[in-house]
Amino acid sequence: KNEVEQSPQNLTAQEGEFITINCSYSVGISALHWLQQHPGGGIVSLFMLSSGKKKHGRLIATINIQEKHSSLHITASHPRDSAVYICASIPNTGNQFYFGTGTSLTVIP
Amino acid sequence: GEEVAQTPKHLVRGEGQKAKLYCAPIKGHSYVFWYQQVLKNEFKFLISFQNENVFDETGMPKERFSAKCLPNSPCSLEIQATKLEDSAVYFCASSQSPARPEAFFGQGTRLTVV
Repeated sequence: KNEVEQSPQNLTAQEGEFITINCSYSVGISALHWLQQHPGGGIVSLFMLSSGKKKHGRLIATINIQEKHSSLHITASHPRDSAVYICASIPNTGNQFYFGTGTSLTVIP
Repeated sequence: GEEVAQTPKHLVRGEGQKAKLYCAPIKGHSYVFWYQQVLKNEFKFLISFQNENVFDETGMPKERFSAKCLPNSPCSLEIQATKLEDSAVYFCASSQSPARPEAFFGQGTRLTVV
């Protein structure tokens, strides 16, 4: 059974702090997405990873295929980063997403 | 277009009424997925399409839910005789192929059944 777990579930940070959100999955994947969902519901895809590391602005995503683990880092966090961050995997054997439970991030000014 | 367009953004239906949601995938994307987000971070897979063919419908409730992707039309998800428990945000995503799994998500349709 494919399981995707995220930690922490909730995270409160002071503006400027470095943030890490973790995602572990149980089966081999073809890709993993990091998604951002703001209150109001729309989903934005931040990264798609199949190996290594990607960087976009203050956001960095890494993945370790052997350990079945990915991390999303936010440097110099800002209140506008407050959102729910969700990892979603696409297994090698399938073509649907399996979503993590989400991490609710609040950045306090 | 370069975004997945879902309409309407919000839909309110009385219990027992029909609800129809639309999703226009990104041009050139062959795969379309529908997901239901009931609780805050719980996504339930409903159905996926490869072009106009059903690819995987293992998550689709058999009785009141149906979906189509017809050529030259937005894909649609229809719920007959809506129930209170159908209240959720319904997301659509599209991707080019399994070999190119980068997917784009729509903004979702919030269905409220009253």
